Amino acid sequence: DIVMTQSPDSLAVSLGERATINCKSSHSVLYSSNNKNSLAWYQQKPGQPPKLLIYWAFTRESGVPDRFSGSGSATDFTLTISSLQAEDVAVYYCQQYYSAPVSFGGGTKVEIK
Amino acid sequence: QVQLQQWGAGLLKPSETLSLTCGVYGGSFSDYYWSWIRQPPGKGLEWIGDINHSGSTNYNPSLKSRVTISVDTPENQLSLRLSSVTAADTAVYYCSRGRSRYHFDIWGQGTMVTVSS
Repeated sequence: DIVMTQSPDSLAVSLGERATINCKSSHSVLYSSNNKNSLAWYQQKPGQPPKLLIYWAFTRESGVPDRFSGSGSATDFTLTISSLQAEDVAVYYCQQYYSAPVSFGGGTKVEIK
Repeated sequence: QVQLQQWGAGLLKPSETLSLTCGVYGGSFSDYYWSWIRQPPGKGLEWIGDINHSGSTNYNPSLKSRVTISVDTPENQLSLRLSSVTAADTAVYYCSRGRSRYHFDIWGQGTMVTVSS
């Protein structure tokens, strides 16, 4: 099984500043057949289900603000919030879907400094 | 607008069987795979398994011996059964739509299931 490791566990960022979350997979999630990384990012607010933000490592889901961006390839990925807003306070998860069973990172809690 | 609505028992005793159902409303049922995912209190997400409209399933090996996911395609519903539950199965259980099978774009509201004697 592929293990997903996120860092940091939590971070506090000032409003308007950049937040960066890292995700590392124990195995490459890059499909050589289509050159796509099977990596998604989710946002979860208290009492709510996760919300898909990004898939194929950097494709933003419809309706997601462009301050959210994904980057990386193979085993190392990053979610960046370019200018943190109050409504971005949440836990963020990465997920690999390269192979079953799909697996999630442990989550990164983002707070306002 | 596709919506997923879940229902089922929220309090179980050890050794009982968890049973949840998820209804899919307002969109295509047959074009997607449908997953169950759980989240213990204060912890991360664990994929349980999925199913498509024809009943083809795939389970997480960690739970495979206790899990059954079934589908009622005419009713656009999927169900989860987890046998021999213990306190470790206490979690919020979600149903979710898998786009490209395995990234999850629509989620149910979640059902908190507590296992306690």
